Amino acid sequence: AQSVTQLDSHVSVSEGTPVLLRCNYSSSYSPSLFWYVQHPNKGLQLLLKYTSAATLVKGINGFEAEFKKSETSFHLTKPSAHMSDAAEYFCVVSGYSSASKIIFGSGTRLSIRP
Amino acid sequence: ETGVTQTPRHLVMGMTNKKSLKCEQHLGHNAMYWYKQSAKKPLELMFVYSLEERVENNSVPSRFSPECPNSSHLFLHLHTLQPEDSALYLCASSQGLAGGLNEQFFGPGTRLTVL
Repeated sequence: AQSVTQLDSHVSVSEGTPVLLRCNYSSSYSPSLFWYVQHPNKGLQLLLKYTSAATLVKGINGFEAEFKKSETSFHLTKPSAHMSDAAEYFCVVSGYSSASKIIFGSGTRLSIRP
Repeated sequence: ETGVTQTPRHLVMGMTNKKSLKCEQHLGHNAMYWYKQSAKKPLELMFVYSLEERVENNSVPSRFSPECPNSSHLFLHLHTLQPEDSALYLCASSQGLAGGLNEQFFGPGTRLTVL
């Protein structure tokens, strides 16, 4: 069975400070992991994905995530937050070639303080 | 138009109305999806179409009826909905079924309100 847990429903940081959005997963198989971002009134956009090629994955807009098998984690980070980063972020786990095996986390809302 | 488009962007309907949501993808993908996004709940997969055939139906009530006339278009026909069906309905597409390495591309969604 697969599951994904986003540990914080809301994270607030000041502009220019680091961002950490936490995600833990559970999977019986070697998983593929994704982070998507959803800005207000928009659809979800892929930030980055892990597919076992490298444990540190770089995505768009300066975001990156590190796959840690021993901790079953795939946390999303960014060194310096920008106001435009304010959005909802979703961690996603999949392990099969079947859409029903794609599991979305409940989301983390990121707020940026001026 | 590029990517995945959805119309209308907003829809208000009564419980006795019949309406349809439309999704179009301009990416040449062969799989399309409907998701329901409710406040405070994870995304719920509703239907999956691959090569214009429905391959998954995740126990969705019959008041939701999908249609995929070709690989670029996907509809969700709505009738006798309930207020709890109010949500953001997202359409997505992918090249090959999502899962594993295949990422999905999402449309902006239709915000549905059922009165």
